Amino acid sequence: KQEVTQIPAALSVPEGENLVLNCSFTDSAIYNLQWFRQDPGKGLTSLLLIQSSQREQTSGRLNASLDKSSGRSTLYIAASQPGDSATYLCAVVDGDSNYQLIWGAGTKLIIKP
Amino acid sequence: DTGVSQNPRHKITKRGQNVTFRCDPISEHNRLYWYRQTLGQGPEFLTYFQNEAQLEKSRLLSDRFSAERPKGSFSTLEIQRTEQGDSAMYLCASSFSQTSPLHFGNGTRLTVT
Repeated sequence: KQEVTQIPAALSVPEGENLVLNCSFTDSAIYNLQWFRQDPGKGLTSLLLIQSSQREQTSGRLNASLDKSSGRSTLYIAASQPGDSATYLCAVVDGDSNYQLIWGAGTKLIIKP
Repeated sequence: DTGVSQNPRHKITKRGQNVTFRCDPISEHNRLYWYRQTLGQGPEFLTYFQNEAQLEKSRLLSDRFSAERPKGSFSTLEIQRTEQGDSAMYLCASSFSQTSPLHFGNGTRLTVT
């Protein structure tokens, strides 16, 4: 059974720092991995989707990598800003779960001005 | 705005009452999902539709929960005889295909008193 883990559960860094969020999954047979952002009391916003055949995706200051063999993905945020403060969740799609998303619990990120 | 729309945003109800939530997905998306999320957790899958067909329902979903998507467009989620444990954020999402990005609405926050 696929399990997704995000460590740490919370992270606080000063503005301007580059940072990395981690996501690990137990079964490497995934179709894709998606990173989301969630602001308090709101729904989720899709940030990046990496297909299983890809190794990374970039959007602005965000870069997501995927290493299927080791069951890991990272979300790199460059030059962090207070507006980046949110909870970041990763989720994988695998065939064994009938293409359902399997979610991590998220990392709550606080960027201090 | 052509994103996923959910109504109402908030619902407060007394235990034992029935509630119904509505989701309007992105128009060209044929897959529609319902999730439930509690504080500090990732979304928990409830059910999903492909067009008007309900293809999967979580075993966690009791008989008090029912969802419909009668014309393959909007969907409703009904909870009968609400319990305090039903208090959560109910999220709707849609996608174009089983491996394309998921787009979420802002959710309906249910409080059962």
